[in-house]
Amino acid sequence: NAGVTQTPKFQVLKTGQSMTLQCAQDMNHEYMSWYRQDPGMGLRLIHYSVGAGITDQGEVPNGYNVSRSTTEDFPLRLLSAAPSQTSVYFCATTPSGTGVTDTQYFGPGTRLTVL
Amino acid sequence: QKEVEQDPGPLSVPEGAIVSLNCTYSNSAFQYFMWYRQYSRKGPELLMYTYSSGNKEDGRFTAQVDKSSKYISLFIRDSQPSDSATYLCAMSGDLDDKIIFGKGTRLHILP
Repeated sequence: NAGVTQTPKFQVLKTGQSMTLQCAQDMNHEYMSWYRQDPGMGLRLIHYSVGAGITDQGEVPNGYNVSRSTTEDFPLRLLSAAPSQTSVYFCATTPSGTGVTDTQYFGPGTRLTVL
Repeated sequence: QKEVEQDPGPLSVPEGAIVSLNCTYSNSAFQYFMWYRQYSRKGPELLMYTYSSGNKEDGRFTAQVDKSSKYISLFIRDSQPSDSATYLCAMSGDLDDKIIFGKGTRLHILP
Protein backbone atom coordinates (compact mmCIF):
# COMPACT_ATOMS: atom_id res chain seq x y z
CA ASN A 1 0.00 0.00 0.00
CA ALA A 2 1.93 3.02 -1.30
CA GLY A 3 -0.68 5.69 -0.45
CA VAL A 4 -0.22 8.74 -2.66
CA THR A 5 2.75 8.81 -5.02
CA GLN A 6 3.97 11.70 -7.12
CA THR A 7 6.50 11.73 -9.93
CA PRO A 8 8.89 13.28 -10.61
CA LYS A 9 10.24 14.54 -7.27
CA PHE A 10 12.18 17.35 -8.95
CA GLN A 11 11.91 18.95 -12.38
CA VAL A 12 13.54 21.89 -14.15
CA LEU A 13 11.82 23.28 -17.23
CA LYS A 14 12.51 26.08 -19.64
CA THR A 15 9.87 28.71 -20.28
CA GLY A 16 7.38 27.47 -22.86
CA GLN A 17 7.99 23.76 -22.31
CA SER A 18 5.12 21.48 -21.38
CA MET A 19 5.09 18.60 -18.95
CA THR A 20 2.83 16.36 -16.89
CA LEU A 21 3.07 15.86 -13.15
CA GLN A 22 1.87 12.42 -12.19
CA CYS A 23 -0.22 11.53 -9.14
CA ALA A 24 -1.40 8.04 -8.28
CA GLN A 25 -3.19 6.58 -5.27
CA ASP A 26 -4.00 3.03 -4.28
CA MET A 27 -6.55 3.78 -1.55
CA ASN A 28 -9.58 3.85 -3.86
CA HIS A 29 -10.33 7.42 -2.82
CA GLU A 30 -12.87 9.34 -4.85
CA TYR A 31 -11.67 12.88 -4.20
CA MET A 32 -8.30 14.01 -5.56
CA SER A 33 -6.82 17.47 -5.77
CA TRP A 34 -3.74 19.42 -6.79
CA TYR A 35 -2.26 22.22 -4.72
CA ARG A 36 0.69 24.47 -5.20
CA GLN A 37 2.70 25.81 -2.28
CA ASP A 38 4.71 28.98 -2.62
CA PRO A 39 6.71 30.80 0.06
CA GLY A 40 4.49 33.30 1.81
CA MET A 41 1.39 32.10 -0.04
CA GLY A 42 0.42 28.89 1.68
CA LEU A 43 -1.34 26.06 -0.13
CA ARG A 44 -3.60 27.02 -3.03
CA LEU A 45 -5.98 24.68 -4.80
CA ILE A 46 -5.38 24.33 -8.55
CA HIS A 47 -7.88 21.68 -9.70
CA TYR A 48 -9.84 18.90 -8.07
CA SER A 49 -11.86 15.84 -8.97
CA VAL A 50 -14.74 14.22 -7.11
CA GLY A 51 -14.50 11.01 -9.11
CA ALA A 52 -13.42 9.48 -12.42
CA GLY A 53 -14.55 11.61 -15.33
CA ILE A 54 -15.29 14.70 -13.19
CA THR A 55 -12.93 17.62 -12.68
CA ASP A 56 -13.34 21.22 -11.61
CA GLN A 57 -11.28 24.34 -11.12
CA GLY A 58 -9.87 25.51 -7.84
CA GLU A 59 -8.44 28.83 -6.79
CA VAL A 60 -5.57 29.13 -9.31
CA PRO A 61 -6.37 26.99 -12.40
CA ASN A 62 -4.87 29.14 -15.17
CA GLY A 63 -2.04 27.46 -17.07
CA TYR A 64 -2.93 23.96 -15.85
CA ASN A 65 -5.07 21.15 -17.22
CA VAL A 66 -6.25 17.96 -15.53
CA SER A 67 -8.14 14.83 -16.45
CA ARG A 68 -9.40 11.87 -14.40
CA SER A 69 -9.89 8.80 -16.51
CA THR A 70 -9.43 6.36 -13.62
CA THR A 71 -9.96 6.48 -9.86
CA GLU A 72 -6.24 5.92 -9.29
CA ASP A 73 -4.62 8.61 -11.44
CA PHE A 74 -4.94 12.39 -11.57
CA PRO A 75 -2.23 13.95 -13.77
CA LEU A 76 -1.59 17.70 -13.86
CA ARG A 77 -0.45 19.17 -17.16
CA LEU A 78 1.44 22.39 -17.62
CA LEU A 79 0.71 23.52 -21.16
CA SER A 80 3.40 26.20 -21.57
CA ALA A 81 5.52 26.60 -18.46
CA ALA A 82 6.16 30.07 -17.07
CA PRO A 83 8.54 31.19 -14.28
CA SER A 84 5.46 32.05 -12.17
CA GLN A 85 4.72 28.31 -12.06
CA THR A 86 7.90 27.62 -10.10
CA SER A 87 6.52 26.02 -6.96
CA VAL A 88 6.10 22.83 -4.97
CA TYR A 89 3.11 20.84 -6.19
CA PHE A 90 1.17 18.51 -3.91
CA CYS A 91 -1.44 15.96 -4.85
CA ALA A 92 -3.96 15.02 -2.16
CA THR A 93 -6.78 12.51 -1.77
CA THR A 94 -9.69 11.89 0.59
CA PRO A 95 -12.14 8.98 0.68
CA SER A 96 -15.11 11.13 -0.35
CA GLY A 97 -15.37 14.73 0.79
CA THR A 98 -13.04 17.63 0.21
CA GLY A 99 -11.00 16.85 3.31
CA VAL A 100 -12.85 19.00 5.81
CA THR A 101 -13.58 16.15 8.21
CA ASP A 102 -12.04 13.28 6.29
CA THR A 103 -8.30 13.05 6.57
CA GLN A 104 -6.71 14.49 3.45
CA TYR A 105 -3.66 12.44 2.45
CA PHE A 106 -0.92 14.41 0.73
CA GLY A 107 1.76 13.07 -1.56
CA PRO A 108 5.44 13.92 -1.05
CA GLY A 109 5.37 16.77 -3.56
CA THR A 110 7.06 17.70 -6.85
CA ARG A 111 9.51 20.61 -6.79
CA LEU A 112 9.28 22.41 -10.12
CA THR A 113 11.58 25.18 -11.31
CA VAL A 114 10.85 27.06 -14.53
CA LEU A 115 13.76 29.03 -15.94
CA GLN B 1 -7.73 41.49 3.09
CA LYS B 2 -6.89 37.82 2.65
CA GLU B 3 -9.49 35.36 3.87
CA VAL B 4 -7.09 33.65 6.28
CA GLU B 5 -4.17 35.36 7.99
CA GLN B 6 -1.38 33.50 9.77
CA ASP B 7 1.92 34.83 11.06
CA PRO B 8 4.69 32.98 9.17
CA GLY B 9 7.13 33.10 12.10
CA PRO B 10 9.56 31.56 12.71
CA LEU B 11 8.58 30.95 16.31
CA SER B 12 11.29 29.52 18.57
CA VAL B 13 10.45 28.18 22.03
CA PRO B 14 12.33 26.00 24.54
CA GLU B 15 11.45 22.35 24.94
CA GLY B 16 8.62 21.81 27.42
CA ALA B 17 7.01 25.20 26.85
CA ILE B 18 3.39 25.72 25.84
CA VAL B 19 3.13 26.86 22.24
CA SER B 20 0.30 29.01 20.94
CA LEU B 21 -0.30 29.23 17.20
CA ASN B 22 -3.02 31.47 15.81
CA CYS B 23 -4.99 32.41 12.71
CA THR B 24 -7.56 35.07 11.99
CA TYR B 25 -10.11 35.00 9.22
CA SER B 26 -12.58 37.33 7.56
CA ASN B 27 -15.24 35.00 6.10
CA SER B 28 -18.00 34.52 8.67
CA ALA B 29 -19.31 31.55 6.66
CA PHE B 30 -16.39 29.38 7.75
CA GLN B 31 -17.60 26.63 10.07
CA TYR B 32 -14.91 23.96 9.85
CA PHE B 33 -11.44 24.70 11.13
CA MET B 34 -8.42 22.48 10.66
CA TRP B 35 -4.80 22.36 11.69
CA TYR B 36 -2.16 20.66 9.58
CA ARG B 37 1.45 19.90 10.42
CA GLN B 38 4.09 19.87 7.69
CA TYR B 39 7.62 18.65 8.22
CA SER B 40 10.36 19.99 5.99
CA ARG B 41 10.13 18.66 2.42
CA LYS B 42 7.05 16.59 3.21
CA GLY B 43 3.34 16.92 2.47
CA PRO B 44 1.01 18.33 5.15
CA GLU B 45 -0.80 15.96 7.51
CA LEU B 46 -4.07 16.68 9.31
CA LEU B 47 -3.66 17.12 13.07
CA MET B 48 -7.25 17.86 14.03
CA TYR B 49 -10.38 19.67 13.00
CA THR B 50 -13.14 21.44 14.91
CA TYR B 51 -16.63 22.46 13.97
CA SER B 52 -17.98 25.88 14.91
CA SER B 53 -16.86 27.44 18.19
CA GLY B 54 -15.33 25.70 21.15
CA ASN B 55 -12.35 23.58 22.13
CA LYS B 56 -11.11 20.19 21.06
CA GLU B 57 -8.30 18.29 22.73
CA ASP B 58 -6.15 15.47 21.35
CA GLY B 59 -3.25 14.46 23.53
CA ARG B 60 -0.88 17.41 23.87
CA PHE B 61 -2.79 19.41 21.24
CA THR B 62 -5.80 21.66 21.86
CA ALA B 63 -7.64 23.51 19.11
CA GLN B 64 -9.74 26.50 20.04
CA VAL B 65 -12.21 28.44 17.89
CA ASP B 66 -13.75 31.81 18.71
CA LYS B 67 -16.15 32.59 15.89
CA SER B 68 -17.25 35.89 17.42
CA SER B 69 -13.67 37.16 17.09
CA LYS B 70 -12.91 35.16 13.92
CA TYR B 71 -9.86 33.76 15.67
CA ILE B 72 -8.56 30.21 16.01
CA SER B 73 -5.69 28.81 18.03
CA LEU B 74 -3.68 25.64 18.39
CA PHE B 75 -1.98 25.01 21.71
CA ILE B 76 0.82 22.47 22.11
CA ARG B 77 1.60 21.43 25.68
CA ASP B 78 4.95 20.01 26.79
CA SER B 79 6.46 20.85 23.41
CA GLN B 80 9.07 18.46 22.02
CA PRO B 81 11.82 18.93 19.41
CA SER B 82 9.81 16.55 17.20
CA ASP B 83 7.06 19.20 17.12
CA SER B 84 9.36 21.41 15.05
CA ALA B 85 7.49 21.87 11.78
CA THR B 86 5.31 24.30 9.88
CA TYR B 87 1.72 24.46 11.14
CA LEU B 88 -1.00 25.47 8.71
CA CYS B 89 -4.50 26.47 9.68
CA ALA B 90 -7.26 25.76 7.17
CA MET B 91 -10.95 26.54 6.97
CA SER B 92 -14.07 25.67 5.06
CA GLY B 93 -17.66 26.78 5.02
CA ASP B 94 -19.21 23.39 4.43
CA LEU B 95 -18.28 19.74 4.18
CA ASP B 96 -18.21 19.98 0.38
CA ASP B 97 -16.56 23.38 0.17
CA LYS B 98 -13.00 23.97 -0.87
CA ILE B 99 -10.50 24.37 1.93
CA ILE B 100 -8.70 27.69 2.34
CA PHE B 101 -5.25 27.43 3.91
CA GLY B 102 -3.24 29.94 5.90
CA LYS B 103 0.39 30.56 4.94
CA GLY B 104 1.71 28.44 7.81
CA THR B 105 3.80 29.24 10.90
CA ARG B 106 7.30 27.77 11.19
CA LEU B 107 7.88 26.45 14.70
CA HIS B 108 11.25 25.53 16.22
CA ILE B 109 11.39 23.73 19.56
CA LEU B 110 14.82 24.22 21.08
CA PRO B 111 16.23 21.25 23.06
